[in-house]
Amino acid sequence: AQSVTQLDSQVPVFEEAPVELRCNYSSSVSVYLFWYVQYPNQGLQLLLKYLSGSTLVKGINGFEAEFNKSQTSFHLRKPSVHISDTAEYFCAVSRMDSSYKLIFGSGTRLLVRP
Amino acid sequence: SQTIHQWPATLVQPVGSPLSLECTVEGTSNPNLYWYRQAAGRGLQLLFYSVGIGQISSEVPQNLSASRPQDRQFILSSKKLLLSDSGFYLCAWTRDRGNEQYFGPGTRLTVT
Repeated sequence: AQSVTQLDSQVPVFEEAPVELRCNYSSSVSVYLFWYVQYPNQGLQLLLKYLSGSTLVKGINGFEAEFNKSQTSFHLRKPSVHISDTAEYFCAVSRMDSSYKLIFGSGTRLLVRP
Repeated sequence: SQTIHQWPATLVQPVGSPLSLECTVEGTSNPNLYWYRQAAGRGLQLLFYSVGIGQISSEVPQNLSASRPQDRQFILSSKKLLLSDSGFYLCAWTRDRGNEQYFGPGTRLTVT
């Protein structure tokens, strides 16, 4: 079975500072990896995804993530955050084989302070 | 382009009352459809998913049920709501197995 761990429930950071949100996964088979963002009282929006190829993936809003197979990690980074980046961020995985399901982490709340 | 709709946006219902939440997808055919629940301050819990009309898989045994009467329509129901059913309900779809899911705007359900 797959599992996703987001160790940080909340990450406070000052505006224009860099940020890294951590995601580790466990799976016995190869997986696809995703990061989603959720603003208050809204649905989830896809930030970026890793399906294959380059391990450094660039997404929307200046975010990027790096797939590290040996460490089973997919950490999300942004070099300079804005107040508007304050939101909940979810990491998710899906199996490359027959699964229809995404397995989500518990989420990390990014709180950007002025 | 594809769009996903959910209604109502908010709902306040008394304990023991029935529930019907609707989700529809436009601009695609034969999508895989999903219902999630998000309790306050918590992650997403997959409730049901469907790979075709009339095909429903349940992930969590509870007093909720789902139906898919049409290709792009997914309904979440309950005969008698519990206080613990309160939460934010999200519908999602995906075209390809294993690929990213696209989420609707959600329904905020408060059971009083």
